[in-house]
Order: sequence, then C-alpha cells, then structure tokens
Amino acid sequence: QLQLQESGPGLVKPSETLSLTCTVSGGSISSSSYYWGWIRQPPGKGLEWIGSIYYSGSTYYNPSLKSRVTISVDTSKNQFSLKLSSVTAADTAVYYCARGSSWSKDAFDIWGQGTMVTVSS
Amino acid sequence: DIQLTQSPSFLSASVGDRVTITCRASQGISSYLAWYQQKPGKAPKLLIYAASTLQSGVPSRFSGSGSGTEFTLTISSLQPEDFATYYCQQLNSYPRVFGPGTKVDIK
Repeated sequence: QLQLQESGPGLVKPSETLSLTCTVSGGSISSSSYYWGWIRQPPGKGLEWIGSIYYSGSTYYNPSLKSRVTISVDTSKNQFSLKLSSVTAADTAVYYCARGSSWSKDAFDIWGQGTMVTVSS
Repeated sequence: DIQLTQSPSFLSASVGDRVTITCRASQGISSYLAWYQQKPGKAPKLLIYAASTLQSGVPSRFSGSGSGTEFTLTISSLQPEDFATYYCQQLNSYPRVFGPGTKVDIK
C-alpha cells in the first residue's frame, strides 16, 4: 500500500524559504503512470493547488505562486520536495503532498496526512 | 485559467436525504473533473474521477454526472459518515484548480 508522508519545519519566519519533503513508501516514485503534487489549505479555507511534477521532470505551477515555487524529485530517495520562497503570513497553511494517477484520469488518488506550516517571526 | 464554482456553499441535511452538489466550470472541461470528500483534520479523499467513475472502495450511494461545464455529485441516501466538505477539481488543463467547497452539515 503506497503511502505519502510530508516532513519539514512547522514554523518559518517571514521572508524566508519554506521547504517540505514528501517521502513515498510502499512503491516507486519513478513510474510514468503517476505524477506528484503539492496542495495547501489555509486554516478554515479551501484547497489550493500549488503545483505538480511528472516522471519526465516537467513541472506545472499555480500562476499565483509561480515566481516563488520550485518542485523537484529525488528518485534515489523516493522523495519529492516543495520550496516556497519569500513567505508571508498568507502562506500559513496545512500542506499536503499527493499522487496523481493516469488510472484515475489524473486525479489525486493518494494523499499524505498533511503538515501544518506557520509563518511567523 | 478555468474557474470552478460550487453550489450550494453550505447544505444542511438529514440522514437518509438525497443530496446534490453542483460544480460549474468557466469553460468546457469535457469530463475531466474529480470530486473529493474532506473531513475535519483529515486529508481529502478521492470519491469520483472522470466526472462519473467511482473510485475503488467508495460506497455506491455516491455518484457523479455531467460534462462540459456543469457537473453534479449526488449522495443517494446521506449517512452519518458523509457529513463533510466536498470539493470538485478540474483536470482538463493547468492550473488544476479546486472548487471552493460545499459543506454538508447535520440538520
């Protein structure tokens, strides 16, 4: 059973870079049938798609965050990562990593449990 | 970019009720739509993909329909464990936006 687990600092200072890692267990991150994504949810609000990365290395980002976001994959560690620079309080949210699948027509079929990140000095 | 709206934003219903949630896209997305259920403090769970295909393990009381710009999620007989927030997501193009959500609460 494939599982995803987010990890990283729970507190980030304003203007700094938020860095999170998603570890994939129970399966390989290197499959052309899947892609990997990050989604966030500010407290009490809805879901916001941040970006996705494909097996080929292609990345797609939310235009509202594009200038600050980088998503990358480390196949040797079976992990993918999110970096969000120049954070402000508006970036405070629960951050989820998820697997998108061609079998579910690109929907996110497996999600991590989420990790809360607070931006505060 | 494609925008999604959901109606209603909030729904109060009783166990056993038939519930319908609508998701509208600002432009045609064929059948590239998914529905997720989220309970408080939990990650979203995929219910339906390709507008009408039930994800494995999801109860058959959930169903989806629609194509183009208008989609519906129906719960045929609401159960206590169905009280949650429901989100649609378009998968036709990037950015892969989510709808604003519909909270289903106990009447």
